[in-house]
Formats: sequence, structure tokens, C-alpha cells
Amino acid sequence: DVKVTQSSRYLVKRTGEKVFLECVQDMDHENMFWYRQDPGLGLRLIYFSYDVKMKEKGDIPEGYSVSREKKERFSLILESASTNQTSMYLCASRSSGYEQYFGPGTRLTVT
Amino acid sequence: RKEVEQDPGPFNVPEGATVAFNCTYSNSASQSFFWYRQDCRKEPKLLMSVYSSGNEDGRFTAQLNRASQYISLLIRDSKLSDSATYLCVVTPNQAGTALIFGKGTTLSVSS
Repeated sequence: DVKVTQSSRYLVKRTGEKVFLECVQDMDHENMFWYRQDPGLGLRLIYFSYDVKMKEKGDIPEGYSVSREKKERFSLILESASTNQTSMYLCASRSSGYEQYFGPGTRLTVT
Repeated sequence: RKEVEQDPGPFNVPEGATVAFNCTYSNSASQSFFWYRQDCRKEPKLLMSVYSSGNEDGRFTAQLNRASQYISLLIRDSKLSDSATYLCVVTPNQAGTALIFGKGTTLSVSS
């Protein structure tokens, strides 16, 4: 079974802190994605990566950056957390086929 | 026009009912189509792919109408366990790029 894991299920951070969200997949997938999900807004793509060290902006990249140094790991970085970044963050991975596998999500609260 | 549009619902139906969800997409060059299911506070998971010829998986039937850019999901004999949010998903015309998710339709099945 494909497994996508995220470093934390729940996280509470203070405004202005630098936040790292880690995602690891175990199926050698080329493509990895970070989304945030908010009530009424659905899943919104923040960044994605189709190869090591490659990244593409999604629909809402402002305030975020990413890192992909190894194929299995894709990190989302909030350089200076703000309260409007309180959300559910979902990581996903996908091979050249189209089924996309999601991690369990990190519920981030910024106070 | 939004890329993928769904009626958000909620659809409230009794057990045993038949319910249909619709989805429209704006990019006529879209290649592949899916329905994902997301349970409350869980990650989305693939429910089924959607083909032009239509496909059926038990009580679930998915249809695609490329001319009208319309996708549907029919659930027969609804169960309590079908209560979830159903996400319509479309791939753009380039392999390796991100899936496009609708905001989802919420189904609540009651006894």
C-alpha cells in the first residue's frame, strides 16, 4: 500500500514563527503536492514538485516556500506564520498514473 | 467560470435512497476524471475513475459527457456509511501537472 506520512497531525505555532511541515512518501512517486483545505474553499494547491529540486507554484503560494532535496520528501515552509495560515494542510503524491494519495493532514493553528 | 464546479449540498437522504451528484468542468482539453471521497476530518481517497463509456462499481455509477463537459456520480441504495464529501477531480491536458479538485458535495444519509 502507498503510504504518505506527515510529520504532525496537530500543530500550534505563534505568529511570526517559522514553521516546517514535512511529508514523506514510500512509493517512489515523482510528483508531490501541498494543499490547504478550508471550509467553503475546498482544496487549494500551494506548491507542487515533479522531480527532486524542482518546484512549481500552485494557486496560493504567497507566504509559503517548499523544499524537495530527496525524492521521497517534500517540505512546506511558512517563513513567518500568520493567523490567516491557520488551516488543514494536506500533502499528496502521485506517480505518472493519475491516482493521487494523500497524507492524513496537519491541522495547523497560528495564534 | 471556475474550473470544476459542484453543487455543495448538503444532500440529506434516507437510507436506501438513490442520489446523484453533478460536476461541470471548464477546460475542454481535460483528459482524465475521477471522484474522490473525503470522510469528516480525514484525507481524500480515490473512489472511482470516470470514463466516457461510463463505469460502475457496486452501487456507484460514474458517467462522463465530454460534449457537455459534465460528470456525474450516482449512488444507489444509500448506506449510512456513504455519508461523506464527494470531490469531482479533473486532470488538465498535461501529464505531471496537478489535479484540479472541485469543492465537493456533502452527502448525509440518515436512518
